[in-house]
Amino acid sequence: QLQLQESGPGLVKPSETLSLTCTVSGGSISSSSYYWGWIRQPPGKGLEWIGSIYYSGSTYYNPSLKSRVTISVDTSKNQFSLKLSSVTAADTAVYYCARHLRGRYCTNGVCQIDYWGQGTLVTVSS
Amino acid sequence: DIQMTQSPSTLSASVGDRVTITCRASQSISSWLAWYQQKPGKAPKLLIYKASSLESGVPSRFSGSGSGTEFTLTISSLQPDDFATYYCQQYNSYSGLTFGGGTKVEIK
Repeated sequence: QLQLQESGPGLVKPSETLSLTCTVSGGSISSSSYYWGWIRQPPGKGLEWIGSIYYSGSTYYNPSLKSRVTISVDTSKNQFSLKLSSVTAADTAVYYCARHLRGRYCTNGVCQIDYWGQGTLVTVSS
Repeated sequence: DIQMTQSPSTLSASVGDRVTITCRASQSISSWLAWYQQKPGKAPKLLIYKASSLESGVPSRFSGSGSGTEFTLTISSLQPDDFATYYCQQYNSYSGLTFGGGTKVEIK
């Protein structure tokens, strides 16, 4: 059974960089069938896609966050990571890592999300 | 960017009711739409993909329809386990994925 587990600091200071890692178990991150992504959800609000990465390193980012986001992959550790710079209180959210199906007919090849991590709350506060 | 608008934002219903949630896209997304269910404190769960395809293991009382800009999620007979928030998501834009604002299904 595939499992995704987010890890990283739960508290980040304003203007600093938020860093999270997602560890994938029960399956290979190097599969050609999937993309791997980050989605966030501010407390009491809706879902926002942050970006996604293929095992080769190809990335797609939300245009509204692109200038501050870096997603990377480490196939040797079966992990992928998120860095979000210059954070403010507006970046306080539950951050989920997730697996997308990859399909030739989906735009950019990034299709629906079929597996999610449990989520981790990151609070931006001094 | 493609905007996704869900209605209603909140829905009150009783067990056994037929429930319909609507999702509208700001431009055509063909059939590249998914529906997710989220319960408090939990990650979303995929219900429907490609507008009308039922994800494996999801009860058949859930169904999806639509194409282009207008889509619906229908629960044919609402069960106690179905009280949750539902999100649509498009995956047809070169600008990436966007979610609707969510519809909370509450007990009437």
